[in-house]
Amino acid sequence: AQKVTQAQTEISVVEKEDVTLDCVYETRDTTYYLFWYKQPPSGELVFLIRRNSFDEQNEISGRYSWNFQKSTSSFNFTITASQVVDSAVYFCALSEAGNTDKLIFGTGTRLQVFP
Amino acid sequence: GAVVSQHPSWVICKSGTSVKIECRSLDFQATTMFWYRQFPKQSLMLMATSNEGSKATYEQGVEKDKFLINHASLTLSTLTVTSAHPEDSSFYICSAYAGTANTGELFFGEGSRLTVL
Repeated sequence: AQKVTQAQTEISVVEKEDVTLDCVYETRDTTYYLFWYKQPPSGELVFLIRRNSFDEQNEISGRYSWNFQKSTSSFNFTITASQVVDSAVYFCALSEAGNTDKLIFGTGTRLQVFP
Repeated sequence: GAVVSQHPSWVICKSGTSVKIECRSLDFQATTMFWYRQFPKQSLMLMATSNEGSKATYEQGVEKDKFLINHASLTLSTLTVTSAHPEDSSFYICSAYAGTANTGELFFGEGSRLTVL
């Protein structure tokens, strides 16, 4: 069965610190998609990244970077030089090729960045 | 970029009344929309898949008579919480793909916060 685990419930850092949010997934499919979403206090989900299972290249986008390791079924997200505006709940999600419509979300990690 | 909009953003109602939440794709057509539910400090749980012109597909454990879904057009899906009770208080979020599920981006609405007194 598919499952997404975000073991870190809450993380607090001081501004300018780097922070890594962990995501471990389970799936039987060989083709699947992984996502990260940001949910600020306003509630709206903001899309950050989508990665398919055949693309293991790490990605960097500004202060954000993602490390995809199929060997450990992990898709971790790092924010470099964190800012107060990064404070939000971050969700990792999985969808499978045979059912791409359905996203399985992790329980989320609440990140608080203090000035 | 593509936008999915929900209305109302928040609603307070009395127990026993019904509440309708709208989800619109503003600049693209969506044959399929999805409804999620999020309890405070919890994750999003898929409730149902809304299919334009046909019946919605509900996830296990979701009462279809309680949560009525109508997808009458390619840009609008509605979720009606019938005879709402305090335990139905939650954050309801809809989403839709712009493009195909395999290549398109999944956009989420702003969410609708329902409080049942």
